[in-house]
Amino acid sequence: DSGVTQTPKHLITATGQRVTLRCSPRSGDLSVYWYQQSLDQGLQFLIQYYNGEERAKGNILERFSAQQFPDLHSELNLSSLELGDSALYFCASSERTGPLYEQYFGPGTRLTVT
Amino acid sequence: AQTVTQSQPEMSVQEAETVTLSCTYDTSESDYYLFWYKQPPSRQMILVIRQEAYKQQNATENRFSVNFQKAAKSFSLKISDSQLGDAAMYFCAYWGTYSGGGADGLTFGKGTHLIIQP
Repeated sequence: DSGVTQTPKHLITATGQRVTLRCSPRSGDLSVYWYQQSLDQGLQFLIQYYNGEERAKGNILERFSAQQFPDLHSELNLSSLELGDSALYFCASSERTGPLYEQYFGPGTRLTVT
Repeated sequence: AQTVTQSQPEMSVQEAETVTLSCTYDTSESDYYLFWYKQPPSRQMILVIRQEAYKQQNATENRFSVNFQKAAKSFSLKISDSQLGDAAMYFCAYWGTYSGGGADGLTFGKGTHLIIQP
């Protein structure tokens, strides 16, 4: 158990819908990263938040957005969902930002778009 | 943009034997970090080992070691005395110190599926 929690574990929804994925980082970790793992694209970095502020953006679609709240939990919002958005979405947290700080991954949320 | 290539989609090894997983990367940066992550059937991503590019000494963690060849941009993972619990997907990953202001996430390869034969 990494100490990072993600809810829900599984989510099934229809095309065009909007969903919110939630991540609670390890206690004391200020940095949260979101990743998408799909068969087509592999593992891709989406976005990072550090202490409530957006820190870096990766291959995140405009239909996707995220935020980190004052209690440091983070939410990833996916809208106008398409079949290709079906994937495993990981959240990871680290104490600070940068490669010196190990990222601890949550168990992921499996999103299925039908 | 940095790219990470794992040319072996699948590898198989007998229990207790040694196996080497290959990884190459492309970058124009001189300072960066390289990682190997393990993803067992549970899907949990677990850090196996990390290498700082400025360190010439290859990183080692118990039965796991790397062969880091900076000039060749190669970063292979050697697993000694393979155990059944080592069966998993293994991902090589890169993090450049200066990419995106030093705050980007990891860039992953496509992964190698490691099978351990009892």
